Amino acid sequence: NAGVTQTPKFQVLKTGQSMTLQCAQDMNHNSMYWYRQDPGMGLRLIYYSASEGTTDKGEVPNGYNVSRLNKREFSLRLESAAPSQTSVYFCASSERQGGGTNEKLFFGSGTQLSVL
Amino acid sequence: ELKVEQNPLFLSMQEGKNYTIYCNYSTTSDRLYWYRQDPGKSLESLFVLLSNGAVKQEGRLMASLDTKARLSTLHITAAVHDLSATYFCAVAGGGADGLTFGKGTHLIIQP
Repeated sequence: NAGVTQTPKFQVLKTGQSMTLQCAQDMNHNSMYWYRQDPGMGLRLIYYSASEGTTDKGEVPNGYNVSRLNKREFSLRLESAAPSQTSVYFCASSERQGGGTNEKLFFGSGTQLSVL
Repeated sequence: ELKVEQNPLFLSMQEGKNYTIYCNYSTTSDRLYWYRQDPGKSLESLFVLLSNGAVKQEGRLMASLDTKARLSTLHITAAVHDLSATYFCAVAGGGADGLTFGKGTHLIIQP
């Protein structure tokens, strides 16, 4: 059972380049999330998807787009990368237990992105 | 807007000592989570607290939740070096899906 798988693990981009971060989970979770982690800032929510076919903005969505391709996969796209997007990106998923409220997140291993 | 504050943000302590990390949050919620992160690694779930008065213990760590005070604590008993890590609390609610994280407490336990 792989859990949440993210690719790539490391990426260096030049300002203005585009790229897509891939995320897949094999736990049959409905909800998926993208967070970014910056030193001293904790984790901040970029976008989330409560179910297949739906996506919503989080706290810091500017400069990003997402796609919930199917129940398993949730990708994050940077259309024109900027140095301010240098960060560690984490994908996560959560299980909703029969309408209950346990949002425990399962995290991927992270993508370290540098934009020069 | 839900705000989550942890303190201290940095803690250096000696093995064998006890200490408490505090997590305050700004709006009503009865769902709080604690995570651990080792350097360069992902986040690992430690505790899930889903009601007022909830208390969970695992080894030398104990977490509690007081929803009326909007406060959770993570207590470390007789610290050992292996507990050195960054600890995050995260709170559900605030009008959006997902969790809102504190900035983390960087804990160093010295022999």
